[in-house]
Amino acid sequence: DTEVTQTPKHLVMGMTNKKSLKCEQHMGHRAMYWYKQKAKKPPELMFVYSYEKLSINESVPSRFSPECPNSSLLNLHLHALQPEDSALYLCASSPWGGGGGITQYFGPGTRLTVL
Amino acid sequence: DQQVKQNSPSLSVQEGRISILNCDYTNSMFDYFLWYKKYPAEGPTFLISISSIKDKNEDGRFTVFLNKSAKHLSLHIVPSQPGDSAVYFCAARFLNQAGTALIFGKGTTLSVSS
Repeated sequence: DTEVTQTPKHLVMGMTNKKSLKCEQHMGHRAMYWYKQKAKKPPELMFVYSYEKLSINESVPSRFSPECPNSSLLNLHLHALQPEDSALYLCASSPWGGGGGITQYFGPGTRLTVL
Repeated sequence: DQQVKQNSPSLSVQEGRISILNCDYTNSMFDYFLWYKKYPAEGPTFLISISSIKDKNEDGRFTVFLNKSAKHLSLHIVPSQPGDSAVYFCAARFLNQAGTALIFGKGTTLSVSS
């Protein structure tokens, strides 16, 4: 099973809403990532979790709050977003944290629209 | 400042011919380079990678070449097939004490016509 799943596929939310994006993998990977991708742009790294600990936070605004409840799950909690936060949010995982695990496996993404 | 650059936004190739996608980078600290393929409404799919200490890696129809002195890599697809039509992203991996992450180029849209 080389699958990373993400729910929901699509999400529309208002600027005052609170919502969460979920990501799950059962490959035993110990590093998980959140990326943001705007149209016609490359994926941009937001957060990296390595062995369930936040290891990289790429200066992401606090209205995005990641959470890694266990080694298989990664959440992204959203609150008071802005319309410019509308994008495809991609989750990825790789076999090991630290130096191992070259390949990152991506989920299909959640298409987020903020009204 | 872009650390990974794909200067050709698009490429059109006939079926059966070779597709060559190019990528340049600026940071000598990258230790691996990867190519991903992306269809609309899907996440990127890993294709092939190369270590910074190698100059070539081959996997079936896909070959990646690395010229470290020029900070340039290329992906060759031979023979190209219509199903190869997608956006191709070049990515570079950096490793520090906090962990690893990928930096992506802007992508090249490949169109293979039959």
